[in-house]
Amino acid sequence: AQSVAQPEDQVNVAEGNPLTVKCTYSVSGNPYLFWYVQYPNRGLQFLLKYITGDNLVKGSYGFEAEFNKSQTSFHLKKPSALVSDSALYFCAVRDGRGSQGNLIFGKGTKLSVKP
Amino acid sequence: EAGVVQSPRYKIIEKKQPVAFWCNPISGHNTLYWYLQNLGQGPELLIRYENEEAVDDSQLPKDRFSAERLKGVDSTLKIQPAELGDSAVYLCASSLNSYNEQFFGPGTRLTVL
Repeated sequence: AQSVAQPEDQVNVAEGNPLTVKCTYSVSGNPYLFWYVQYPNRGLQFLLKYITGDNLVKGSYGFEAEFNKSQTSFHLKKPSALVSDSALYFCAVRDGRGSQGNLIFGKGTKLSVKP
Repeated sequence: EAGVVQSPRYKIIEKKQPVAFWCNPISGHNTLYWYLQNLGQGPELLIRYENEEAVDDSQLPKDRFSAERLKGVDSTLKIQPAELGDSAVYLCASSLNSYNEQFFGPGTRLTVL
């Protein structure tokens, strides 16, 4: 069975500092990994994905994520946080094998960036 | 390009009443999803469509929930009768296929009194 964990309920960062939002996963086959962001009263917005290839994936709004197979992690990072980055961030995974797997979402991490 | 459209955005009903949510996916997207999102949680899949076929409805409480995607385009999710525990945000998403990133609508926030 596939699963995803976001160990931090909340991450607090000062504006201009680097940020990291952690995610670990478990799948039987090769993982398809995604990060989404949710602003208040809005649907989820796609940030980036890892399917195959380079372990460092670059996405929208200056975010990037590093796939680490040995640690089964896919942490979201940004070199310099903005106040406008404050939102709820979700990591999601699906098993790359077959066509029946669905996307499993973590419980979310609230990012708070203070001026 | 228009995104995923959902209506209504908010709905308040009495328990035991019926309610329906509508979703229009991004044009050309074959795969459509309905998710339930409780406060402080990630979305949980209710049903996934490939064109007009429901390929995974294992998490849909079929005693009270039903869904349809006639003609493989827009979709309706219905609850009858609604219970207090159904209060949540119902999200619709679509993707080119089940391997691609999903695009989400703004959701319908349901409150059952």
